[in-house]
Amino acid sequence: GAVVSQHPSRVICKSGTSVKIECRSLDFQATTMFWYRQFPKQSLMLMATSNEGSKATYEQGVEKDKFLINHASLTLSTLTVTSAHPEDSSFYICSPRSTNEKLFFGSGTQLSVL
Amino acid sequence: AQTVTQSQPEMSVQEAETVTLSCTYDTSENNYYLFWYKQPPSRQMILVIRQEAYKQQNATENRFSVNFQKAAKSFSLKISDSQLGDTAMYFCAFMKYSGGGADGLTFGKGTHLIIQP
Repeated sequence: GAVVSQHPSRVICKSGTSVKIECRSLDFQATTMFWYRQFPKQSLMLMATSNEGSKATYEQGVEKDKFLINHASLTLSTLTVTSAHPEDSSFYICSPRSTNEKLFFGSGTQLSVL
Repeated sequence: AQTVTQSQPEMSVQEAETVTLSCTYDTSENNYYLFWYKQPPSRQMILVIRQEAYKQQNATENRFSVNFQKAAKSFSLKISDSQLGDTAMYFCAFMKYSGGGADGLTFGKGTHLIIQP
């Protein structure tokens, strides 16, 4: 089956630093990448959508300058949380969509900002 | 915009029983998919079942089946012969689809299902 690799699985950082999360599709090409976040005991909320080679589209209330998304290739997308603050602490999940329109999910990244 | 509502925050049943999780949604779209995802404590999202809105026949995957009522905008999940491994959060999700591709998923708030031994 298709494999999605998301790293790191857990990261702790100091307030004001930046954190990069990588999402790789290992055996398929991802034309579209969705990024979600999930606060404790809550549901997943879509943050942004990116298509390979294009700028990401952000959902209302998500700061594009804070959450930088790069989707430069069909197998790799990154989410960088810039100048992280404690309120950014959350579980971040990538979800690539393949060229044959199947959806997959990464294993998630727990970000804790001190 | 679409909304997905799961009205049961938590449910508990005995092993081997049948349980139904409810989900309603609101949309003005004609082309869409509906999903049920399972999220165990590992937090890995696992697809349980998927339904295309244009299909009248209810989707079935082994012990899992849905009751899709398009006019009522209802999409419930039935789990038969429940097993201890079914214990997890279950999320109902909606995805709009158009010729330009699919949007991201809109999730309900989830139902925590507990299977008692």
